[in-house]
Amino acid sequence: AQKVTQAQTEISVVEKEDVTLDCVYETRDTTYYLFWYKQPPSGELVFLIRRNSFDEQNEISGRYSWNFQKSTSSFNFTITASQVVDSAVYFCALSSQGGKLIFGQGTELSVKP
Amino acid sequence: EAGVAQSPRYKIIEKRQSVAFWCNPISGHATLYWYQQILGQGPKLLIQFQNNGVVDDSQLPKDRFSAERLKGVDSTLKIQPAKLEDSAVYLCASSLVTGAGSIQYFGAGTRLSVL
Repeated sequence: AQKVTQAQTEISVVEKEDVTLDCVYETRDTTYYLFWYKQPPSGELVFLIRRNSFDEQNEISGRYSWNFQKSTSSFNFTITASQVVDSAVYFCALSSQGGKLIFGQGTELSVKP
Repeated sequence: EAGVAQSPRYKIIEKRQSVAFWCNPISGHATLYWYQQILGQGPKLLIQFQNNGVVDDSQLPKDRFSAERLKGVDSTLKIQPAKLEDSAVYLCASSLVTGAGSIQYFGAGTRLSVL
């Protein structure tokens, strides 16, 4: 069975702090993809990143970075120097056969000024 | 480029009534998805179309939910009759292709409250 676990339900930080959102996944497939989406209060899920199971290189995009470790089945997301606009619910998701996304429960990030 | 359009944004009905949601995907996207997101949870796939054919409807409660994508473009999701536990946000997404790794783009969703 495929499963995604985001153990942190809510995180609250003060602006400019760094914050890491954890994601652990389970799958028996050898080929799979991992995603992060952001859901602001408006409700629309916004795509942030996609990684495939064969590419364990870390990725950095501006203040965002992702750490993919197959050995621990984790795909963690770090926001450096957080801003109030980063406040949202963040979802980690897994996709293999067919393209269906299996989402975690989400982590609600609150960045206070 | 226009995103995924959904309507209505909000709907309030009483249990046992029927309701329909509409979705227009991004132009040229062959694959369309309907997800149900219950408060405090991640979205769960209800049905996936490729063009006008169903790829996956294994988690669709077929006794009350139905969906169609007749011309392979826009889609309608219907609930009849609604139950209290159907209160959720219904999200539509589309992707250019079908398969593992396809990037899905989401609409703003329809928030359904069943009283």
